[in-house]
Amino acid sequence: EAGVAQSPRYKIIEKRQSVAFWCNPISGHATLYWYQQILGQGPKLLIQFQNNGVVDDSQLPKDRFSAERLKGVDSTLKIQPAKLEDSAVYLCASSLAGQLYNEQFFGPGTRLTVL
Amino acid sequence: GEDVEQSLFLSVREGDSSVINCTYTDSSSTYLYWYKQEPGAGLQLLTYIFSNMDMKQDQRLTVLLNKKDKHLSLRIADTQTGDSAIYFCPPSSKGASKIIFGSGTRLSIRP
Repeated sequence: EAGVAQSPRYKIIEKRQSVAFWCNPISGHATLYWYQQILGQGPKLLIQFQNNGVVDDSQLPKDRFSAERLKGVDSTLKIQPAKLEDSAVYLCASSLAGQLYNEQFFGPGTRLTVL
Repeated sequence: GEDVEQSLFLSVREGDSSVINCTYTDSSSTYLYWYKQEPGAGLQLLTYIFSNMDMKQDQRLTVLLNKKDKHLSLRIADTQTGDSAIYFCPPSSKGASKIIFGSGTRLSIRP
């Protein structure tokens, strides 16, 4: 089975610029997550989708971050404008809805550097 | 809310056993997971234990759970260079699709 795909793998931008990340989850996975992982820390959940609806976006900085999951499959995460502290790896994960336990499958991540 | 505490670093000689410890604060956690993150990669589920179990063994991996002390450990037997990674032990509540990651334990292997 194909894994979670993310692109690009690396992105370097200057502060105040905009950037977008793309994620394609495992086929059939209803739940999709975006995490931010700053160097030396664990992943922090930014937003969770169930199909195309938002379940949890309590830690998403909504003044600059936005995410969508049209048609309940692919998702994009956008930062506009970027700040220096947004430098991190952005991980996308997906899981089956209604599992007895919640195994999340992670993509390789997009490493963002903001200069 | 749920939170975990782990040592940040562990160094083990190749071939020895590694023991990674985790203390969590919420005793209502139903499932406790161990995720592994290799350098430059996403996380992958290594194993998990249900809260009514006190031990689970899976090849070189042994998970021990002490619910009374809210303590979880992962033992890796015959540690290899491929085990070098960061290990996370995020708990979750029954039915909850959200899991919260701590900072993880970075395991390094020395020859």
